[in-house]
Amino acid sequence: RKEVEQDPGPFNVPEGATVAFNCTYSNSASQSFFWYRQDCRKEPKLLMSVYSSGNEDGRFTAQLNRASQYISLLIRDSKLSDSATYLCVVNSPGTASKLTFGTGTRLQVTL
Amino acid sequence: DTGVSQDPRHKITKRGQNVTFRCDPISEHNRLYWYRQTLGQGPEFLTYFQNEAQLEKSRLLSDRFSAERPKGSFSTLEIQRTEQGDSAMYLCASSPRGSGPYEQYFGPGTRLTVT
Repeated sequence: RKEVEQDPGPFNVPEGATVAFNCTYSNSASQSFFWYRQDCRKEPKLLMSVYSSGNEDGRFTAQLNRASQYISLLIRDSKLSDSATYLCVVNSPGTASKLTFGTGTRLQVTL
Repeated sequence: DTGVSQDPRHKITKRGQNVTFRCDPISEHNRLYWYRQTLGQGPEFLTYFQNEAQLEKSRLLSDRFSAERPKGSFSTLEIQRTEQGDSAMYLCASSPRGSGPYEQYFGPGTRLTVT
């Protein structure tokens, strides 16, 4: 089983739609969680950290369920510029902050 | 630009040749990481430095790979006797000093093509 699993998509949604991505992780001792965004042929960029209480940044909401080992990202009012690959990222415990990435979920927002 | 920088951005080499990549982290960051990313996959961890000390290496890092960070600032990643399977994007990331895991900030990557 992969350490971090994501649906690769693609998710094709119209502009203005709400879209949700899910991710599961296998190591129950994982400590920190992030969503990164990666545009085609570019480096990953931090979108947001994910906290146990859930957190929101504008149109983006991230949730963490430690009991189910599940992370989600909700994007409201999708924009064309949201088209990218969204990477679910987990910090592996006891490994000096090594990040483990999912394969990413591709989002395409259309007119 | 005060972000992570990498050089070169692209490298095409013939199988069997040696290549070396450089990474300059964000200046106040003492942690530096190398990752490799192939098409359709997320980045995979290769190695980690805290200051000049290499504290962790992935089993992905075969004997042909070596990384250094001699003065705790920039880092180099060398691949000897390149193979076609080494073709990938090599990403460097840095994060700030202090305890606990912090967000990592990535450079633009070096895209390696082995022919």
